[in-house]
Amino acid sequence: DTEVTQTPKHLVMGMTNKKSLKCEQHMGHRAMYWYKQKAKKPPELMFVYSYEKLSINESVPSRFSPECPNSSLLNLHLHALQPEDSALYLCASSQVMGTRLAGGTDTQYFGPGTRLTVL
Amino acid sequence: GQNIDQPTEMTATEGAIVQINCTYQTSGFNGLFWYQQHAGEAPTFLSYNVLDGLEEKGRFSSFLSRSKGYSYLLLKELQMKDSASYLCAVRKTGGFKTIFGAGTRLFVKA
Repeated sequence: DTEVTQTPKHLVMGMTNKKSLKCEQHMGHRAMYWYKQKAKKPPELMFVYSYEKLSINESVPSRFSPECPNSSLLNLHLHALQPEDSALYLCASSQVMGTRLAGGTDTQYFGPGTRLTVL
Repeated sequence: GQNIDQPTEMTATEGAIVQINCTYQTSGFNGLFWYQQHAGEAPTFLSYNVLDGLEEKGRFSSFLSRSKGYSYLLLKELQMKDSASYLCAVRKTGGFKTIFGAGTRLFVKA
């Protein structure tokens, strides 16, 4: 099973709303990622969690708040977003490089994404 | 700094072979990935190279030369469904960062 699931598939929200994006994987991966992708652009890394601890925050504005409640779940809480935050938000997971389970690679497997529109 | 270059677009004919090149400059290289991404969908893993040479997987092959900072993805027996963007991504040492190139949009015509 190499499936990463994300909900919702589509989300439309106003600038004053609070919403959350959810991501789940059951591959036993201990690293989970949030990316933002604008049209015709590559994915841009936002956050990385390793063993449920925040490992990387790529200087993301505080209106994006990640949470990793357990090894299978990753959330992204959204508050007071701007129209320019409209994008495809991708979740990914991988083994942690250097561990026995990684087998020499930490290939990231992506979920289908949440298409976010901020009005 | 880091830089990943790929052609923006390529067109090829169904049944043909196409090679998508990727050159990279990065401080701390620890592997190169190729992903396929259809419009509006998530990237799908295709291949991984960390040592020099060719990795073959069915109709797809990927080559790496670390000394030249160069990789290519070779697609054989092209099918219409291969029309997609192909992303070259470089993994950096010392952490979880994988830097994606802008992608090459491949159009397969009948």
